[in-house]
Amino acid sequence: DQQVKQNSPSLSVQEGRISILNCDYTNSMFDYFLWYKKYPAEGPTFLISISSIKDKNEDGRFTVFLNKSAKHLSLHIVPSQPGDSAVYFCAASVTSSNTGKLIFGQGTTLQVKP
Amino acid sequence: DTAVSQTPKYLVTQMGNDKSIKCEQNLGHDTMYWYKQDSKKFLKIMFSYNNKELIINETVPNRFSPKSPDKAHLNLHINSLELGDSAVYFCASSQATGRSRSPLHFGNGTRLTVT
Repeated sequence: DQQVKQNSPSLSVQEGRISILNCDYTNSMFDYFLWYKKYPAEGPTFLISISSIKDKNEDGRFTVFLNKSAKHLSLHIVPSQPGDSAVYFCAASVTSSNTGKLIFGQGTTLQVKP
Repeated sequence: DTAVSQTPKYLVTQMGNDKSIKCEQNLGHDTMYWYKQDSKKFLKIMFSYNNKELIINETVPNRFSPKSPDKAHLNLHINSLELGDSAVYFCASSQATGRSRSPLHFGNGTRLTVT
């Protein structure tokens, strides 16, 4: 029973264009969402997060949108750069547990072509 | 300086052996975790320790035993290794900040191959 799903295993985008990565979740208790970026042979690194009290959070070229009614979030990267090529993981948590336990999606591989 | 370091990076061993993976964090975080990334690329939590106390223990075979000698270290010992244990194991840490918690910082993973 996968509570966080990333239905697109891969995405290819031209440099300079927008990359949109999608994530769906099923557990309505989730109230904090994160995106992690992972390069080969490295661990995931934190990218951006959003609390359920917001519907948008922006950090430079990265923006995360949250649609609670649809249980859907997305990560927008504008403009996309070749260095953004990596695997992107969506993750969700229940903050009241205060354990930091994250439920991850299976990742989307982004390729940004020069 | 590496914030979360795991050793070894690669581990190849035979079925039935016992092996350990070590993890250390120098971030001063109060909580450490072990995650497993299986062949389908899902990252799944296994264990978590907060100040040396076990707080998360997912449905993991008893052959897996975490040990936290202090809050900066969390080791993972695996007995009687099986083929299905082959995966990448990630250590992570985080810190409580008031009512919230910092994002997890991950190590670079240990790729375990059981033959």
